[in-house]
Formats: sequence, C-alpha cells, structure tokens
Amino acid sequence: DVKVTQSSRYLVKRTGEKVFLECVQDMDHENMFWYRQDPGLGLRLIYFSYDVKMKEKGDIPEGYSVSREKKERFSLILESASTNQTSMYLCASSPPKGYTIYFGEGSWLTVV
Amino acid sequence: KNEVEQSPQNLTAQEGEFITINCSYSVGISALHWLQQHPGGGIVSLFMLSSGKKKHGRLIATINIQEKHSSLHITASHPRDSAVYICAVWNTGNQFYFGTGTSLTVIP
Repeated sequence: DVKVTQSSRYLVKRTGEKVFLECVQDMDHENMFWYRQDPGLGLRLIYFSYDVKMKEKGDIPEGYSVSREKKERFSLILESASTNQTSMYLCASSPPKGYTIYFGEGSWLTVV
Repeated sequence: KNEVEQSPQNLTAQEGEFITINCSYSVGISALHWLQQHPGGGIVSLFMLSSGKKKHGRLIATINIQEKHSSLHITASHPRDSAVYICAVWNTGNQFYFGTGTSLTVIP
C-alpha cells in the first residue's frame, strides 16, 4: 500500500517558534510538494522539489523554507511561526509527469 | 487568475440523484485528476485522465482536450459520496494546478 506519511497530525505552536513538518513517501517519487489549504482558497503551493537537494518556490513561499536531503523525505520549516500560518498543511508526491499524485493525511497547525 | 475553474462551488442533492461537476482549465496539460476529500481527511485520487472517459463503479469522468473541459458524474448518489471534489491538472510546465473544489452534500 503506497504511502505519504506526515509526521504530525495536529500541532499547536506559539508565535515565533520554529516549526518542522516532516513528510516521507515510500514510492520512490521524484516530485514532492507542500501545500496549505484554507477555506475558500483551495490548495496553494508553498514549495516543491523535483529531485534531492532541489527546490522551487511555489505561490506562497514567504515565511517558509524546505529541505530535501533524501529522496523520500521533504521537510517544511516555518522559521518563526505567525498566527496567519494557522492552516492545514498537505504534503504530496508524484512521478515526473504527474500521472499519479498521493497526498498525506495533512497536518493541522494552530499558531497562538 | 485561476488556471482551473470548477462549478458549482456547492451542491446539495437528494440520495439517488445524478450529479455533475464541471472543470475548465486554461493551461496545457498532460494529465487531469479528480480528487476526493472527506471532512477532516486527506485527499485521494479518484481518476487520472489524459483523454476520453473512465468509469469506476458509480463514478464517470470525461475529458475534452480540445475544449479544455472535464466533467465528473456520480450516478445514483449516496450520502457517503458527500465530500469535496477537486479537479487538478498537471501542467506541461511541471506543476499541478487545482480548482477550489466542489462541496457535495447528499441528503438521505
């Protein structure tokens, strides 16, 4: 059974904290993505990576960074969490031409 | 500007009704996905289309590449079909674009 696993389902963090969201996939996919999902706004791309150590900014990269040191793992980092980063974060992976896509279960982050 | 537009945004149906959700896109694509998200849950892919039509049980998806349009049909709808349905396209520029989703509620 193919899997994208996100490390934390629910997190509550304080303003200014550094937050790490981890994502691991077991399908040997080249592409990995981080999205945030907010009511009425749909899925918005934060960063994506098409290979180890490669990363590309998406539509809303401000306040976020990413790391991909191994093919199976893609981490999202909030350097200094703010309340406007309260959201659901979804990790996804796909092969190069996007013929399949798999999502993690999502991480609900609340910043207080 | 939205590369992917879905309609309707919200849909309420009686159990047993035939349902259609539409998706139009403005970019070149190599694949189109219909995704399903249950409340509080992750997202799963129902179909991938690059041409023509696919059928899984009561779900049918079609795509017209020339018109840049796809439809998802649900026959004999059931309350367990209640979910958000999202259209996603893989752009030939190497990223996914998503519609904002259609929230479907099927009433018993």
